[in-house]
Amino acid sequence: DAEITQSPRHKITETGRQVTLACHQTWNHNNMFWYRQDLGHGLRLIHYSYGVQDTNKGEVSDGYSVSRSNTEDLPLTLESAASSQTSVYFCATRQGMNTEAFFGQGTRLTVV
Amino acid sequence: QKEVEQNSGPLSVPEGAIASLNCTYSDRVSQSFFWYRQYSGKSPELIMSIYSNGDKEDGRFTAQLNKASQYVSLLIRDSQPSDSATYLCAVLPLLYGNNRLAFGKGNQVVVIP
Repeated sequence: DAEITQSPRHKITETGRQVTLACHQTWNHNNMFWYRQDLGHGLRLIHYSYGVQDTNKGEVSDGYSVSRSNTEDLPLTLESAASSQTSVYFCATRQGMNTEAFFGQGTRLTVV
Repeated sequence: QKEVEQNSGPLSVPEGAIASLNCTYSDRVSQSFFWYRQYSGKSPELIMSIYSNGDKEDGRFTAQLNKASQYVSLLIRDSQPSDSATYLCAVLPLLYGNNRLAFGKGNQVVVIP
């Protein structure tokens, strides 16, 4: 079965360190998204990609970057981790217009 | 105005009762609407999608869409303790070319045995 795999599932890092969260999908979907979920804020879009070499900023992109070198992977990098980036991060994919999104299991990141 | 609003607080319902959740959206020309269920500590999972005005039923779940009034609702009949979760409303606004989902903050449902 097709799936979305996020790694690591849990991560504790120190303030100022660079951190990369992995997202790998076998759906062969062009559209990939990174969200963060915090109490009181719901799901907020960080970055997204509509295909290889395409990346776009979402509503909370400051301090984050992504790159898309193939269809399967969209890694999310925190350039210099801050305590405000402590959150649960979800990767999601969609096949195309007017279709639902599928989510990975999530990564719980704690910045200390 | 937020793109998707779910304003109700936590909803407690007795087992076997109907749980009713509402969601309003701001983009009048949105075409696609989804309900996700999220258990604590888990990722959102799709439970319903609806594209046309009216009702859509799937098992104990019914989604209702009213584009003129810009709201979509979810009914859970014969509520079970396993329905205790947060329910997220999602919309595809034309603003984003129908390609980026906008989510509400979610409504927590607690089914009391």
